[in-house]
Amino acid sequence: AQSVSQHNHHVILSEAASLELGCNYSYGGTVNLFWYVQYPGQHLQLLLKYFSGDPLVKGIKGFEAEFIKSKFSFNLRKPSVQWSDTAEYFCAVIEGSNTGKLIFGQGTTLQVKP
Amino acid sequence: GAVVSQHPSRVICKSGTSVKIECRSLDFQATTMFWYRQFPKQSLMLMATSNEGSKATYEQGVEKDKFLINHASLTLSTLTVTSAHPEDSSFYICSATITGIYGYTFGSGTRLTVV
Repeated sequence: AQSVSQHNHHVILSEAASLELGCNYSYGGTVNLFWYVQYPGQHLQLLLKYFSGDPLVKGIKGFEAEFIKSKFSFNLRKPSVQWSDTAEYFCAVIEGSNTGKLIFGQGTTLQVKP
Repeated sequence: GAVVSQHPSRVICKSGTSVKIECRSLDFQATTMFWYRQFPKQSLMLMATSNEGSKATYEQGVEKDKFLINHASLTLSTLTVTSAHPEDSSFYICSATITGIYGYTFGSGTRLTVV
């Protein structure tokens, strides 16, 4: 079965700092990758996704992620964070079979200090 | 855009009673719905996958007799926690999608507290 690992559990940054959240997955075949964000008290929202093509994916709110197949990674980045980016971030991958099941990483709590 | 409505948002029930959580796709027909459970400060754990008109497929370790899932129509799936116990207290989230189209829409979640 697939697994997703997010290395940073809790990240604290000051506003305007750059952000990079790590995500590694275990499956060696074709993967579909996602980053979701969960703001306090709100439901999950899609930030960006990668299915194929350009490995550098642009998402909403200035986020981007780079798919590096050789490293089994899909790290999330943002050049300059804002206080409003404070949230929980989840990396997810669709299982290798055609089930459509999303498997989530453990999540990273991002706290941005004003 | 696609919207999934999940009700109730919060429920408190007594130990031994059953609780039903509804998940509705409001503007699309969801061929597949997923049910997740999220413990505090932890990730979403997939509980089961339900396809309209067929029995749900449960993940390993999830008791199908305890967590009853019904997906009777293309717009409604329900999760019933039967004979709830305090350890069932958690945040339950549904997600709806159209089979083969990997766009997932999540409900706002249900906070279940069993006392």
